[in-house]
Amino acid sequence: KAGVTQTPRYLIKTRGQQVTLSCSPISGHRSVSWYQQTPGQGLQFLFEYFSETQRNKGNFPGRFSGRQFSNSRSEMNVSTLELGDSALYLCASSLGLAYNEQFFGPGTRLTVL
Amino acid sequence: GNSVTQMEGPVTLSEEAFLTINCTYTATGYPSLFWYVQYPGEGLQLLLKATKADDKGSNKGFEATYRKETTSFHLEKGSVQVSDSAVYFCALSMTTDSWGKLQFGAGTQVVVTP
Repeated sequence: KAGVTQTPRYLIKTRGQQVTLSCSPISGHRSVSWYQQTPGQGLQFLFEYFSETQRNKGNFPGRFSGRQFSNSRSEMNVSTLELGDSALYLCASSLGLAYNEQFFGPGTRLTVL
Repeated sequence: GNSVTQMEGPVTLSEEAFLTINCTYTATGYPSLFWYVQYPGEGLQLLLKATKADDKGSNKGFEATYRKETTSFHLEKGSVQVSDSAVYFCALSMTTDSWGKLQFGAGTQVVVTP
């Protein structure tokens, strides 16, 4: 079956702009988690959505937001971009129950100039 | 809070050498533990997992045992190949209320030379 897909794969923005990233989970998966990966901070959890509700949230400012649609596809939005937001953004999907494996997408590489 | 600490890299070894990557954790409660691998330009792939103390996870020749007494989950492989060159991440997740939240270590780059 098809894996987790993320669009776009690469994105270049300038400071102050906003950006929306998309994640399509594996068919049947109801949970989508988002992570930010940078050389300095490593992999950090942003938030998790399950059945259209935010179930967990990491320690990121309010500029970072997300949502999930009824088909489980998820988007994350970053407003007022800063240089430090340059990162690889990964999403992962799972069935959403305890002990279910998270499957990761290839990521979206965001560069903020 | 919960956290994961893993040995810094890069770890450079020759083909067929023995690989160990140390991972220790701090957690309130009983986490599940994971090793993920990331190849260049790709997302993360689950390598193995263990959900309770003394469980041993294994896959593709890699093994790790959940040691509650030492709060460790060290990754081992007896004979590495060039294709094992990647970044390896140790991670934990709490079953109770935040299963969808993985907390990762800093990652260890492994370079295997022919």
